Amino acid sequence: GIQVEQSPPDLILQEGANSTLRCNFSDSVNNLQWFHQNPWGQLINLFYIPSGTKQNGRLSATTVATERYSLLYISSSQTTDSGVYFCAVLYSSNTGKLIFGQGTTLQVKP
Amino acid sequence: NAGVMQNPRHLVRRRGQEARLRCSPMKGHSHVYWYRQLPEEGLKFMVYLQKENIIDESGMPKERFSAEFPKEGPSILRIQQVVRGDSAAYFCASSNPGQGGEQYFGPGTRLTVT
Repeated sequence: GIQVEQSPPDLILQEGANSTLRCNFSDSVNNLQWFHQNPWGQLINLFYIPSGTKQNGRLSATTVATERYSLLYISSSQTTDSGVYFCAVLYSSNTGKLIFGQGTTLQVKP
Repeated sequence: NAGVMQNPRHLVRRRGQEARLRCSPMKGHSHVYWYRQLPEEGLKFMVYLQKENIIDESGMPKERFSAEFPKEGPSILRIQQVVRGDSAAYFCASSNPGQGGEQYFGPGTRLTVT
């Protein structure tokens, strides 16, 4: 089956710093989503981005489908950005099955 | 707009009891998905349902687990005769294919089996 790998697994930043999280996938996908799981366990939708670039405030994402990777950029990080960031891909729209990466755990220190 | 609703948020069951987890999709969404997150792990797909139909249950354990999404009411994930290994966070998501299949997640139900 399709493999989804995220890097780095862990990241510690000082407040105000920028970061880039990466998601590699092993096959063509129909859909790619980025999520933030906050310390309370809730999954927040960040981006739905099967291709191209999107921006939302301090966050932006780019997916290069032909090269099978996606990047999530966090600028001017804040302590509230702490948590786990997941990338998930939809391999086939017939199944609806999102395949999740293992996540990047981000800690932003004040 | 109300998001995906799940209840209960926390559920404690003794070994051998039954657990019923409920999910109400976002308004206008007709597709429901269940995922499980074991401690310190990512989310794993369990089942994909439309109203009165199971579309893909390839991630469901073969025994003790079942899911339904009736014509009226919420989707139900049922776990019979729970064991300690069932302790996990269970997330429900919903989507509408007309919106490109983006899945929106509920807050999850944290099941603890004692």
